[in-house]
Amino acid sequence: DAGVIQSPRHEVTEMGQEVTLRCKPISGHDYLFWYRQTMMRGLELLIYFNNNVPIDDSGMPEDRFSAKMPNASFSTLKIQPSEPRDSAVYFCASSTTGQGSGYTFGSGTRLTVV
Amino acid sequence: SQQGEEDPQALSIQEGENATMNCSYKTSINNLQWYRQNSGRGLVHLILIRSNEREKHSGRLRVTLDTSKKSSSLLITASRAADTASYFCATVVIQGAQKLVFGQGTRLTINP
Repeated sequence: DAGVIQSPRHEVTEMGQEVTLRCKPISGHDYLFWYRQTMMRGLELLIYFNNNVPIDDSGMPEDRFSAKMPNASFSTLKIQPSEPRDSAVYFCASSTTGQGSGYTFGSGTRLTVV
Repeated sequence: SQQGEEDPQALSIQEGENATMNCSYKTSINNLQWYRQNSGRGLVHLILIRSNEREKHSGRLRVTLDTSKKSSSLLITASRAADTASYFCATVVIQGAQKLVFGQGTRLTINP
């Protein structure tokens, strides 16, 4: 398995533009997570899905952020409109049911909003 | 809000020495996990310890868990330059299903 695949690896966009981050979880994993990492706030859980259904989106900063998981092999995180304070590294991770396994993280998308 | 807090925030030791990092958390947990993050990369799962376990080993890693003190430690023995990374503890709270909450991490530097 190629692991959790995120795209793009880097994204530079202008303030006000729409940004879409993509994630392909490990096949067979039924949980998918979106995290954001900044120096100031560390790793923050934004939202997670179980069997493609959003379970907890309490970490989504505001209405400008939205996430979807149309099927078991694909998820998107969209920011519209983007702002400079959204600049961060966004990680996607997946895991399986049960408390015995850890998460598998993707390599992240480094987003810079100018 | 952060559930776990690592201590120290940064640690610098000589190659071959042992490195110990500590983690404290606030609420009851189902399990606690340790992750490593190399600069510019994603997090890599190292080890998971359940709330009913007190100690666990994996290669050069030794993790302890004291639920009465709400604390855990990660020991890396015979450190190598390749162990240079940030180390995070993360907890699965009993009420939070699969939700992992991370601490701020310890930056470990191994000097050759």
